[in-house]
Amino acid sequence: EAQVTQNPRYLITVTGKKLTVTCSQNMNHEYMSWYRQDPGLGLRQIYYSMNVEVTDKGDVPEGYKVSRKEKRNFPLILESPSPNQTSLYFCASSSTPFTAKETQYFGPGTRLLVL
Amino acid sequence: GEDVEQSLFLSVREGDSSVINCTYTDSSSTYLYWYKQEPGAGLQLLTYIFSNMDMKQDQRLTVLLNKKDKHLSLRIADTQTGDSAIYFCAAGGSSNTGKLIFGQGTTLQVKP
Repeated sequence: EAQVTQNPRYLITVTGKKLTVTCSQNMNHEYMSWYRQDPGLGLRQIYYSMNVEVTDKGDVPEGYKVSRKEKRNFPLILESPSPNQTSLYFCASSSTPFTAKETQYFGPGTRLLVL
Repeated sequence: GEDVEQSLFLSVREGDSSVINCTYTDSSSTYLYWYKQEPGAGLQLLTYIFSNMDMKQDQRLTVLLNKKDKHLSLRIADTQTGDSAIYFCAAGGSSNTGKLIFGQGTTLQVKP
């Protein structure tokens, strides 16, 4: 089954404690992206990756890092989480970013609470 | 900058039609999408429309696009309780980053 998986689904942590949210897709997609969802703001793009070893900032990259060492995985790293990073995070992938039919598939989301 | 706006809440009775509206600012957006998010779930693509189309119909869903006014709507015919969810409008294709610009989401409540 074609899917995007994220782990963990729920996470409570404390300020400053490094964490990683994993994202994996089994569709051999080149394009992957991270979004955060906050009430009243919709989804905002954090980082994206066009292919292995190619990553770039989205609209709200501050406080986040990503890596793309393999095509299937695109982890989101919070080196020193702060309470304003409490949010619902979605990973997405598509074969390319350029055509409507190549829809972006979304993972189930990771709900993060930073105390 | 680019922006997509939606009303936050819509309540309808089961069997009625629902119309969810969206406006966007970037006229170079080439694709406009509607996503559905059920409680605790990810985003599911419902439908999309090219910017050179006026209307697209897919079973109970009808998408209308007024490119001049940059206005997009999603009509759900014969709304069911299972349609209760958050609906996101998104615009894309105007940049080479693959970024989708999302609206705030409209919560659709369907009353029996």
